[in-house]
Amino acid sequence: AAGVIQSPRHLIKEKRETATLKCYPIPRHDTVYWYQQGPGQDPQFLISFYEKMQSDKGSIPDRFSAQQFSDYHSELNMSSLELGDSALYFCASSRWGKRGSGELFFGEGSRLTVL
Amino acid sequence: AQSVAQPEDQVNVAEGNPLTVKCTYSVSGNPYLFWYVQYPNRGLQFLLKYITGDNLVKGSYGFEAEFNKSQTSFHLKKPSALVSDSALYFCAVRETNTDKLIFGTGTRLQVFP
Repeated sequence: AAGVIQSPRHLIKEKRETATLKCYPIPRHDTVYWYQQGPGQDPQFLISFYEKMQSDKGSIPDRFSAQQFSDYHSELNMSSLELGDSALYFCASSRWGKRGSGELFFGEGSRLTVL
Repeated sequence: AQSVAQPEDQVNVAEGNPLTVKCTYSVSGNPYLFWYVQYPNRGLQFLLKYITGDNLVKGSYGFEAEFNKSQTSFHLKKPSALVSDSALYFCAVRETNTDKLIFGTGTRLQVFP
């Protein structure tokens, strides 16, 4: 079965640079979520989109922005990168988002290293 | 605010023995509860969920979890552990009408041959 696809899997950037992560949800999933997992930490919710509109917002820094496109894929844009942004970034998808009770399906993650 | 607690950083079990990974939750209203497993450098894999109904929920790979409302617990269990079950396990809770899935701090399960 198709899973959530994230790219790139690994990314190395310098401080103050920008980075863009992409996420392709499972077909027919209309909700996309972004999570950040620091080393040895639990995943922290950043933001979610349902039907291309922002649905919920968590602890996403103002330097970050995200959107969901007409084909339901999503991109997380990170600017003015800081050392503390080094983490594993997960995308997840589901059907009906908060309107349903379904589980989230996670991608393999994008590992961002900021030097 | 909703939260989950996983009181054990690590659980060690001998292969073939039963295992329990503990989780307690705190929410206002009815909780949606989940267990996920994470292997090194991999994404989180869904194991099982409790929404409503039977308190004993069966999931993937022979895992099950028992929802206990009076103790606000949702412990993960397996009758007979395998070495391949060794991984990081996260309990998570979501309130209705939110997207935010709140994870516990994770419990590392180590199954010894």
